Amino acid sequence: ETGVTQTPRHLVMGMTNKKSLKCEQHLGHNAMYWYKQSAKKPLELMFVYNFKEQTENNSVPSRFSPECPNSSHLFLHLHTLQPEDSALYLCASSQDHPTGGYGYTFGSGTRLTVV
Amino acid sequence: GQQLNQSPQSMFIQEGEDVSMNCTSSSIFNTWLWYKQDPGEGPVLLIALYKAGELTSNGRLTAQFGITRKDSFLNISASIPSDVGIYFCAGQLWGGTSYGKLTFGQGTILTVHP
Repeated sequence: ETGVTQTPRHLVMGMTNKKSLKCEQHLGHNAMYWYKQSAKKPLELMFVYNFKEQTENNSVPSRFSPECPNSSHLFLHLHTLQPEDSALYLCASSQDHPTGGYGYTFGSGTRLTVV
Repeated sequence: GQQLNQSPQSMFIQEGEDVSMNCTSSSIFNTWLWYKQDPGEGPVLLIALYKAGELTSNGRLTAQFGITRKDSFLNISASIPSDVGIYFCAGQLWGGTSYGKLTFGQGTILTVHP
């Protein structure tokens, strides 16, 4: 399997549930990202991991908890979410080095609905 | 921080028409990229530009990296129904501690009427 794979594709959860989103990249990239995309809003960067280390947290509420056990896997753990957290959650990866960047490769996303 | 202004926000066109959209930035980028997002999917890279003034084509798509390094445009010629989607520009700045991170525009929603 190639590219960036996200599971599940769709998730419906109650506000008291705990669930996790999974992202796996098969591209040998060294950086991974979580984005949130709400209806009619631009892409919102949530977390950045470089070489498994979290390098950016864009003021994301603590009910979202990322985990990057290795450079190929990224998780987003969810608990006590709110209805306004319903959105498309996108994972991306990239291969970065000090002399250049070549953009991101995105997964297909997880459509999350909080009820 | 850097901001990208992408315009127009939405376009409604007839099949066969040409499309043009652009992005401007308050500061320079080393790389400009254009992505397309189909409904319910993640964005897919269409064109990447690495040099000021560069003009690159990919089929019916043409994009240019502005000479000032603060802007880019994307043209789609002879649009077809499958061109429907959201188009995002993105700027990438690398060097020092800034490498890797993309800044995205707000997106242009394209609707093509048969």
